[in-house]
Amino acid sequence: QLQLQESGPGLVKPSETLSLTCTVSGGSISSNTYYWGWIRQPPGKGLEWMGSIYYSGNTYYNPSLKSRVTISVDTPKNRFSLKLSSVTATDTAVYYCARHRAGVVTAHWYFDLWGRGTLVTVSS
Amino acid sequence: DIQMTQSPSSLSASVGDRVTVTCRASQSISRYLNWYQQKPGKAPKLLIYDASSLQSGVPSRFSGSGSGTDFTLTISSLQPEDFATYYCQQSYGSPYTFGLGTKVEIK
Repeated sequence: QLQLQESGPGLVKPSETLSLTCTVSGGSISSNTYYWGWIRQPPGKGLEWMGSIYYSGNTYYNPSLKSRVTISVDTPKNRFSLKLSSVTATDTAVYYCARHRAGVVTAHWYFDLWGRGTLVTVSS
Repeated sequence: DIQMTQSPSSLSASVGDRVTVTCRASQSISRYLNWYQQKPGKAPKLLIYDASSLQSGVPSRFSGSGSGTDFTLTISSLQPEDFATYYCQQSYGSPYTFGLGTKVEIK
């Protein structure tokens, strides 16, 4: 059964770059059936889609974050990563990696499998 | 961006009640509307996709309806494990936005 697991530092200083990795187990990230995304949730607040990637490397970003976000895929290691630059306290959130299905032309943009999430706090 | 507005923001209900949560989009999104359930400290779980398609493994007491701008999630008979926060999400266009959630609490 496919599982997703986020990993990375739980504390990042303001102005630095947040880096997280999502490791896919029980299946291949190179499947042409799925896309892989990042979604975050500030404490006590709602959900925000940050961006997604296909195994080929094609990326899709939330325009509000596009200047600060980079998502990459490492197919040999079966994982994908998130980098968010110039972080501030407003970037404090639980960060989830998630899967969504590929369609005939593009992706289906609903998330059918999620990691457990990891809390990242931005503080000096 | 497409804004998703959920109502109510919270509700109290009893086991066995029929519960309805509403989601309104700021523009027409056809049937590209999805529903998630989130329990405290857990990741969201997909319940309904494309407005009315039940995700595999989700109990049939959950149903979704609507198209255009107005959508509904219905729980036909609320069970103890259904007390949670429910989010709608549009998958019509980027950025793929979520509502602020409806918290279903025990009366």
